[in-house]
Amino acid sequence: GAVVSQHPSRVICKSGTSVKIECRSLDFQATTMFWYRQFPKQSLMLMATSNEGSKATYEQGVEKDKFLINHASLTLSTLTVTSAHPEDSSFYICSARRSVDFEAFFGQGTRLTVV
Amino acid sequence: DAKTTQPPSMDCAEGRAANLPCNHSTISGNEYVYWYRQIHSQGPQYIIHGLKNNETNEMASLIITEDRKSSTLILPHATLRDTAVYYCIVLHQGGSEKLVFGKGMKLTVNP
Repeated sequence: GAVVSQHPSRVICKSGTSVKIECRSLDFQATTMFWYRQFPKQSLMLMATSNEGSKATYEQGVEKDKFLINHASLTLSTLTVTSAHPEDSSFYICSARRSVDFEAFFGQGTRLTVV
Repeated sequence: DAKTTQPPSMDCAEGRAANLPCNHSTISGNEYVYWYRQIHSQGPQYIIHGLKNNETNEMASLIITEDRKSSTLILPHATLRDTAVYYCIVLHQGGSEKLVFGKGMKLTVNP
């Protein structure tokens, strides 16, 4: 099956620093990738949709200057949490939509803890 | 906004069939029904999808009513590892639609 690799799986950072999360589709091309955030005991909340080679589309209430998304190739998207605060601590998940049939596959998630 | 409703939780005995319901009364003619599940602290896993015919794969079966307003995901022989939150989602299979999750349903498989 299609594999989406998300890295790192866990990260702890200090307040005020930035953290980059990578999402790679290992065996397929993904024109579109999605980024989600999930707080404990809640569902996945869509943060933004990124299309290769263009600017990401952010959901209402998500700060685009704080959550920088880059989708420079058909197999890689990155999410950078800038000037992280403890309230940014969450589980971040990416999804890659396969170009050939539009099926979506998910990464294993990144647990971010800001101290 | 999610276009589906699911009960918040369900229990099932190990080895028995688990039947997970989903209502999608406003589904349009070209929208598919997708099922994903999320085991604790992992990314969601694709299970199955269908348009109007019943579908079966190695993981589950999907039964869609004739009017397409509801569907049932069937895990034929539930195991403890099937304990997860199951999400039923409807969307167009065109590549441009956002993949939005509702609250899902927590399935607990008991020994």
